[in-house]
Amino acid sequence: NAGVTQTPKFQVLKTGQSMTLQCAQDMNHNSMYWYRQDPGMGLRLIYYSASEGTTDKGEVPNGYNVSRLNKREFSLRLESAAPSQTSVYFCAISGGRSYEQYFGPGTRLTVT
Amino acid sequence: GENVGLHLPTLSVQEGDNSIINCAYSNSASDYFIWYKQESGKGPQFIIDIRSNMDKRQGQRVTVLLNKTVKHLSLQIAATQPGDSAVYFCAENRYTGNQFYFGTGTSLTVIP
Repeated sequence: NAGVTQTPKFQVLKTGQSMTLQCAQDMNHNSMYWYRQDPGMGLRLIYYSASEGTTDKGEVPNGYNVSRLNKREFSLRLESAAPSQTSVYFCAISGGRSYEQYFGPGTRLTVT
Repeated sequence: GENVGLHLPTLSVQEGDNSIINCAYSNSASDYFIWYKQESGKGPQFIIDIRSNMDKRQGQRVTVLLNKTVKHLSLQIAATQPGDSAVYFCAENRYTGNQFYFGTGTSLTVIP
């Protein structure tokens, strides 16, 4: 997980509250991603940013917004949290000649 | 030991045996595949990748096989070690660009 940091590591929200998950990288890669991982399931792409200034929807974007603040940072915002958004959220980056993605350590979010 | 698709999401093998983890992918147009390893409480880590113009690729103790006819991918781990215990995911790049779709994963347990 070197090179990709996520904050916070854990968070508990009440239904309707908002919060922003932060992701930062020091590998100078162009592309950044947000995934969610639910128990017993693979990762599902929420949003991604192919380069600074661009963002695109992934497989499950509803209920989320993102901001690519600069090349280093990509944030994920929940405007009005719902219990269905209880999950582990991973940020990832990729760049160079390979599509290999480097993942952060994850944020475990619980919405009650 | 070997698992077959989604019907057997867990695989237990004896230390020193070879492991085979299977993955069925959905899109015949997918042109790039990656295997990831995810240890408990961590983000996924890249193991090996393969492009659709290849049938086989070898790494250190790991081999990936691609059968495009039946849209099947497998990961072979030689001389499985306790440190190989983890969940393994295959991911396919269904479209050109950065979007990857992950399988549900296979949990590998190595018995000492």
